[in-house]
Amino acid sequence: GEDVEQSLFLSVREGDSSVINCTYTDSSSTYLYWYKQEPGAGLQLLTYIFSNMDMKQDQRLTVLLNKKDKHLSLRIADTQTGDSAIYFCAEISNFGNEKLTFGTGTRLTIIP
Amino acid sequence: DTGVSQDPRHKITKRGQNVTFRCDPISEHNRLYWYRQTLGQGPEFLTYFQNEAQLEKSRLLSDRFSAERPKGSFSTLEIQRTEQGDSAMYLCASSHRVSNEQYFGPGTRLTVT
Repeated sequence: GEDVEQSLFLSVREGDSSVINCTYTDSSSTYLYWYKQEPGAGLQLLTYIFSNMDMKQDQRLTVLLNKKDKHLSLRIADTQTGDSAIYFCAEISNFGNEKLTFGTGTRLTIIP
Repeated sequence: DTGVSQDPRHKITKRGQNVTFRCDPISEHNRLYWYRQTLGQGPEFLTYFQNEAQLEKSRLLSDRFSAERPKGSFSTLEIQRTEQGDSAMYLCASSHRVSNEQYFGPGTRLTVT
């Protein structure tokens, strides 16, 4: 079945760039997503990329997709304290299946 | 647009009791999803509706779980004879039929004692 892996923790100094990585196993993934979850809250859709794209940029966020290696990354430029949260990578398969498959999440901590 | 809403936000119940949660999707979103999230994990898919039709159910959705969306608008998720292992955050999401974007509600946190 589908599997999505992320490292659990990342610490970054305020003002630096954060890079959160994700690997997935489903070669039929059509869309790949990044969600943000703050403590006690639901998930906020940050951005997503279609599987035939290599890169997508949206303000401070840059998504890179290496389909050959099944590797997805999220770069947050000029990281701020408000970026502290858990970031989830997720994918949707190509076979008419509407469910999101999530990774375990990466907890981003900002060091002042 | 008020976003996806869920009620209640928190529920504490004793083992063996039944609980029901409600989700109101974003208006005009005809797709509605339920996910469950346990501590330290990502959300896991439970079930999905397109309008009033329940199109897919995960094997996580045991016989004690039932979900409905009677008029294709709000949805309810009922858990019968709750067990301690049911303690989790239950998340609802919705999307428009022509969109691949799922928007999540704030979740209902269930604690079974």
